[in-house]
Amino acid sequence: EAQVTQNPRYLITVTGKKLTVTCSQNMNHEYMSWYRQDPGLGLRQIYYSMNVEVTDKGDVPEGYKVSRKEKRNFPLILESPSPNQTSLYFCASRNRGFRDYGYTFGSGTRLTVV
Amino acid sequence: AQTVTQSQPEMSVQEAETVTLSCTYDTSESDYYLFWYKQPPSRQMILVIRQEAYKQQNATENRFSVNFQKAAKSFSLKISDSQLGDAAMYFCAYRSQIQGAQKLVFGQGTRLTINP
Repeated sequence: EAQVTQNPRYLITVTGKKLTVTCSQNMNHEYMSWYRQDPGLGLRQIYYSMNVEVTDKGDVPEGYKVSRKEKRNFPLILESPSPNQTSLYFCASRNRGFRDYGYTFGSGTRLTVV
Repeated sequence: AQTVTQSQPEMSVQEAETVTLSCTYDTSESDYYLFWYKQPPSRQMILVIRQEAYKQQNATENRFSVNFQKAAKSFSLKISDSQLGDAAMYFCAYRSQIQGAQKLVFGQGTRLTINP
């Protein structure tokens, strides 16, 4: 089944404790992105990647890091989480073709930083 | 920068009735894509329908259709014969067609309730 897999689904952590949210897709997509969803704000892009070793900032990159060492994986790293990073996170991917069939999203990671 | 506005935080409709969700956007570009995503309580983001700006014909997918007004920068979603399974948060989203453009710009969302 074609899918984007995120782990963990839920995570509660303490301020300052480094964490990684994993994302993997099995569709051989070139493009991958991370979004955060907050009430009243919709989803906002954190980082994106156009291919292996090619990443760039989205609209809200502060406090986050990413890497793209393999085409299928695009982990999101929070080096020193803070309570304002409590949010619902989504990884998404799509192919590079001219026709845009929309992104495929993972199931989301609910992160709480206390 | 592009913006997307959904002015209806919440909507409700009787089962089997028709409901229209509003979306407006702001852009200076002429080529772009517009999407409606559905987010049920499971949190999964599900693509409902997409529209390419160069196409004048409104997109339809079974009970879902859009009213795309390019000059007015309006992109509303009509759900016909509403079903209980349509209850969800609905997001309108924009993506530039400029080569390499990656970002989906989302609206704030509209929570749709279906009354039995």
